[in-house]
Amino acid sequence: GQNIDQPTEMTATEGAIVQINCTYQTSGFNGLFWYQQHAGEAPTFLSYNVLDGLEEKGRFSSFLSRSKGYSYLLLKELQMKDSASYLCVPMDSNYQLIWGAGTKLIIKP
Amino acid sequence: GAVVSQHPSRVICKSGTSVKIECRSLDFQATTMFWYRQFPKQSLMLMATSNEGSKATYEQGVEKDKFLINHASLTLSTLTVTSAHPEDSSFYICSASGLAGGPVTDTQYFGPGTRLTVL
Repeated sequence: GQNIDQPTEMTATEGAIVQINCTYQTSGFNGLFWYQQHAGEAPTFLSYNVLDGLEEKGRFSSFLSRSKGYSYLLLKELQMKDSASYLCVPMDSNYQLIWGAGTKLIIKP
Repeated sequence: GAVVSQHPSRVICKSGTSVKIECRSLDFQATTMFWYRQFPKQSLMLMATSNEGSKATYEQGVEKDKFLINHASLTLSTLTVTSAHPEDSSFYICSASGLAGGPVTDTQYFGPGTRLTVL
């Protein structure tokens, strides 16, 4: 089967750094996306990894290890507006996105 | 770039009526559009995938006669919920991919969603 494992909820402090881990199992693999979704809103694209390694984009970085079926999203200099759900979304061999419930990140002052 | 709009953002209708939701890619040609449904505190559920000019492919368990999808152009797809019932109340979200020349093939860019309430 196909599944994604992320923490249900995490809490961090404004200005700090947080790492959201994700492990996945898919039928084939065509890359992994991270999306951000604020409550009541649609997801917004953050990053895409298809090769092993770290992709940095401003305050957000995403890492992928295909052999381990593992990815993480690193958020630096946390701001209150970063409070949202973060969705680790692998793409399988049929180019289908596999959606889980994501990690709800709560930022405290 | 990669902006997707949806209209309406919110709709309330009576049971038995039909509701049409529009999804537009504003600054790119979307070869593929996707329709999702999301219930509160649950993950997105793909309903159907549509390519411009061809019939939509529906996911298992999604009634194609109830959820009519038309993808008439590279910038517009519509979802019509026919004979809506209270259990159809949900957050409907479209996404589009096919950003020609963009950095990532197959990246889905999402519309803002439509919240449907059926009374």
